[in-house]
Amino acid sequence: DVKVTQSSRYLVKRTGEKVFLECVQDMDHENMFWYRQDPGLGLRLIYFSYDVKMKEKGDIPEGYSVSREKKERFSLILESASTNQTSMYLCASSRSGTGKEKLFFGSGTQLSVL
Amino acid sequence: GESVGLHLPTLSVQEGDNSIINCAYSNSASDYFIWYKQESGKGPQFIIDIRSNMDKRQGQRVTVLLNKTVKHLSLQIAATQPGDSAVYFCAENIAPDTNAGGTSYGKLTFGQGTILTVHP
Repeated sequence: DVKVTQSSRYLVKRTGEKVFLECVQDMDHENMFWYRQDPGLGLRLIYFSYDVKMKEKGDIPEGYSVSREKKERFSLILESASTNQTSMYLCASSRSGTGKEKLFFGSGTQLSVL
Repeated sequence: GESVGLHLPTLSVQEGDNSIINCAYSNSASDYFIWYKQESGKGPQFIIDIRSNMDKRQGQRVTVLLNKTVKHLSLQIAATQPGDSAVYFCAENIAPDTNAGGTSYGKLTFGQGTILTVHP
């Protein structure tokens, strides 16, 4: 089975801190994604990557950046955390980039920004 | 069914009943649809998917129906069990408009979710 591992289950940070969320997948998938999940709003796409060192903005990229230096690892970076970035962050991967394949999700990181 | 808004739709059923979760989508260009189940404290798990050239697809105890005429998707769960209690999300792939300079990579757009509660 595909395993998508997010490094932290819970994180508490202060406003203005730089925050790194790490994600690793073990199935050699081409594509990786970062979503945030908020009550009543479903999952919203922040950024995705279809290849090493490549990235594409999703629907809500403001305030975030990403890094993909290796195929298996995709990092989400909050340059200066703000309280409105308190959320559940979900990483996912898929085999190809057509959008017509299922995503495999990690368990999520619940980030609280105080 | 799912729609834009802050109040999550809910469905309560008795164990053994059949459940039907509905999802409306707005983009006629969507060509792939998928259902996920998310239990408390876990990431979403794939249930079943369907391409736009199909009307129905069956899995184990689950059936997805696609009505392109009215842009409606439904998930039917047979003989619902307490372990089926979760939030269910539909998602659609909106094919990119490369002629308009869009990326050639499609992406899934998720609905807000429906809470299913199964009572023993």
